[in-house]
Amino acid sequence: NAGVTQTPKFRVLKTGQSMTLLCAQDMNHEYMYWYRQDPGMGLRLIHYSVGEGTTAKGEVPDGYNVSRLKKQNFLLGLESAAPSQTSVYFCASKRGFYAYNEQFFGPGTRLTVL
Amino acid sequence: AQTVTQSQPEMSVQEAETVTLSCTYDTSESDYYLFWYKQPPSRQMILVIRQEAYKQQNATENRFSVNFQKAAKSFSLKISDSQLGDAAMYFCAYRSDTSGTYKYIFGTGTRLKVLA
Repeated sequence: NAGVTQTPKFRVLKTGQSMTLLCAQDMNHEYMYWYRQDPGMGLRLIHYSVGEGTTAKGEVPDGYNVSRLKKQNFLLGLESAAPSQTSVYFCASKRGFYAYNEQFFGPGTRLTVL
Repeated sequence: AQTVTQSQPEMSVQEAETVTLSCTYDTSESDYYLFWYKQPPSRQMILVIRQEAYKQQNATENRFSVNFQKAAKSFSLKISDSQLGDAAMYFCAYRSDTSGTYKYIFGTGTRLKVLA
């Protein structure tokens, strides 16, 4: 099992450009999450999904869109990148609702917006 | 709203010694889980230990143990016999067990340095 993978690992964008981050998991997990990590702020939830075809807003959703067309994939889109979106982005997945289900994280994507 | 506070931005410990990382949280809920995650330089977050709020017994995982004080809303992580590989950022996290609540609340992290 590869676990949770993220593509790409690094990316540099110019202000106004768009891009999509891909998260894939091979554990048949229902729940998937996108977080951003900024210095001194821990992880903050952007969007999440509780199953194929469903998405919901997290703590900091503005400027991002997501899609979960297939159970194993969770895409995070930036339509018009801004310097404030410079961050490290983490995807995570877990089997189901219950908190005792462990949350597995991907290796992260470092995004810089110039 | 729930909050998680880690008041120690950085800690140091001598190899083979014991260190305790602090975490406090605020919630009005009675059913929840608490977690400690480790983030090494590779950036990949790894679950270290978890504690169910309804359990009075403190969780332990090998060299890692917690001191869970529900009334004080405190959840500290003790690392015994510290090893060089323990050097990392450690994040405390809260997760409600209330139906319909899905998100985790993370603290700002504590950077642990292990001195040889």
